Amino acid sequence: AQSVTQLGSHVSVSEGALVLLRCNYSSSVPPYLFWYVQYPNQGLQLLLKYTTGATLVKGINGFEAEFKKSETSFHLTKPSAHMSDAAEYFCAVSDQSGNQFYFGTGTSLTVIP
Amino acid sequence: GAVVSQHPSRVICKSGTSVKIECRSLDFQATTMFWYRQFPKQSLMLMATSNEGSKATYEQGVEKDKFLINHASLTLSTLTVTSAHPEDSSFYICSARDNRAGNTIYFGEGSWLTVV
Repeated sequence: AQSVTQLGSHVSVSEGALVLLRCNYSSSVPPYLFWYVQYPNQGLQLLLKYTTGATLVKGINGFEAEFKKSETSFHLTKPSAHMSDAAEYFCAVSDQSGNQFYFGTGTSLTVIP
Repeated sequence: GAVVSQHPSRVICKSGTSVKIECRSLDFQATTMFWYRQFPKQSLMLMATSNEGSKATYEQGVEKDKFLINHASLTLSTLTVTSAHPEDSSFYICSARDNRAGNTIYFGEGSWLTVV
């Protein structure tokens, strides 16, 4: 079984500051890990994903995440926050069949000018 | 890139009526599609897995007679909310699995349902 925990339902950062959104997962099998972003009144957009290979994954809009098996984590980072990054971010895990996704409860990112 | 389209994006219906939401994979075939529901300020809850040509698999607690899912072709799945009530008002999102691309899942843009 898989599950995802996102620590911090709300995160506020200043424009230009580092963005760090935390995600820890639980999986009985090697997981596939994802970060999605949801802008207001819109659907989900894939930011990045980890399946196999390099544990540091780069995504769109300057985001990246690192898969750390020993810590069962897949935290999302961005060196410098932009106002346009304000959105809801969801971490998700699936098994390698892709038959089911399990989402975290989301983290709302606010960027302060 | 792959695109999944949902229609309508917003719909308002009266209590007691039924409403259909379509989910289409525009540039790939999807044998499996998924329907999620998102409550305000909460995460997505998987409602059911839709398999082309067979019955959908519903998650525990989801009323299959109320949320009818049909996956009649490799590019189209529909969700029909029957006898809608105000508590059915929610954001419904579908996703489709592209088997060509390592089981990558693509999400639709979602459909806002308001039952008045």
